[in-house]
Amino acid sequence: QMVESGGGVVRPGGSLRLSCEGSGFKFEDHAMHWVRQRPGKGLEWVSFVAGVGTLTYYGDSFKGRFTVSRDNTKNSLYLQMNNLGIEDTALYHCAKAQGWNPSAAFDLWGRGTLVTVSS
Amino acid sequence: SYILTQPPSVSVAPGQTARISCGGKDIEGRSVHWFQLKPGQLPLLVISHDSDRPSGIPERFSGSNSGNTATLTISRVEAADEADYYCQVWDTTSDQVAFGGGTKLTVL
Repeated sequence: QMVESGGGVVRPGGSLRLSCEGSGFKFEDHAMHWVRQRPGKGLEWVSFVAGVGTLTYYGDSFKGRFTVSRDNTKNSLYLQMNNLGIEDTALYHCAKAQGWNPSAAFDLWGRGTLVTVSS
Repeated sequence: SYILTQPPSVSVAPGQTARISCGGKDIEGRSVHWFQLKPGQLPLLVISHDSDRPSGIPERFSGSNSGNTATLTISRVEAADEADYYCQVWDTTSDQVAFGGGTKLTVL
């Protein structure tokens, strides 16, 4: 399973670090993604990180503000979010890819952690 | 970025067949995945790589991909199939994931 944490209420311009812990599979063998869903909106891809190494990709809205990382020794995935705006209010899911390839399907999702940006 | 277009809604009577389209330029050259979202539940992968059905997904779910349109087909629709469905691809040009806007399936 995948379990996210770290969500909460933050003021505009603030920062937040999300975490996601995976279990039941060999963590380092799988690429990971962050996906969010804003209230009343559809799924929006945030970022990708490879299973090992430092390869990362981001959606256009997140480049320069968000940083994805992982610690395979802790079976954990992270998302550092800086300069948050009201439009970043959303439920943030981590998702496990079927393999190492960025085109692999997301075969396991977490329930999400809610981030609310409000003054 | 790569654009995927889905109809906002599809309605079907129980027992009938639902078809949800996902349009994209030359999408047949890409691997399309489909997800089911129900309120309060984890997103669920129902079709991967155009037409592969993950373990545990009923045979009623199938997928195809040709030309500029990928299609999720749900045969013998049941009330439990009522959900939002999203298509997704990896765009190698931009190195980004693209999601369709989602389709709300209503079982009449």
